[in-house]
Amino acid sequence: DADVTQTPRNRITKTGKRIMLECSQTKGHDRMYWYRQDPGLGLQLIYYSFDVKDINKGEISDGYSVSRQAQAKFSLSLESAIPNQTALYFCATSEHRTDTQYFGPGTRLTVL
Amino acid sequence: SQQGEEDPQALSIQEGENATMNCSYKTSINNLQWYRQNSGRGLVHLILIRSNEREKHSGRLRVTLDTSKKSSSLLITASRAADTASYFCATEIVGGSNYKLTFGKGTLLTVNP
Repeated sequence: DADVTQTPRNRITKTGKRIMLECSQTKGHDRMYWYRQDPGLGLQLIYYSFDVKDINKGEISDGYSVSRQAQAKFSLSLESAIPNQTALYFCATSEHRTDTQYFGPGTRLTVL
Repeated sequence: SQQGEEDPQALSIQEGENATMNCSYKTSINNLQWYRQNSGRGLVHLILIRSNEREKHSGRLRVTLDTSKKSSSLLITASRAADTASYFCATEIVGGSNYKLTFGKGTLLTVNP
């Protein structure tokens, strides 16, 4: 079983809809992250959480919100989706001592 | 502007050859990491090198870090077709309560059989 899972894997939605992407991990890591990847632009950090009570904005948090429901769960919401939020979204986890990030398989989101 | 920039953007080699990718960055870092991504899939961590280290090896991978030049290189020796993927460098900066891991745009490596 995968250590970091994301649901859904693919989603097509319409402008103005509320969307939630979910991430779960079985690695026991305290730190979790949400990134988006656009073609040719690498990854950009949206939000990160160092523990359940800690939420921080990343480089591109506008238009997004997050919820850390438990150590193992970190969800990303788009309150009112717009077409330029069409991208590949990745969740990642890490533990403090190693700094290495472990990525989920990604969610491909298309906003029409 | 991008903190980490990989060079070249694309690299095509024959199986068995060595592949070298470079990464340049702008500000002081805590560590630099290299990741690999197969098309449309999640990133996989390859190697981390801290700011006080100059070289690290892992199997066929060799990473160097030159903090005076703010650059790093990833060498893959004896490449295989299965090494075909995009490779990203990521620089980690931690200051106070702020954390930032910034990814470059990646190098697309194609290894031809």
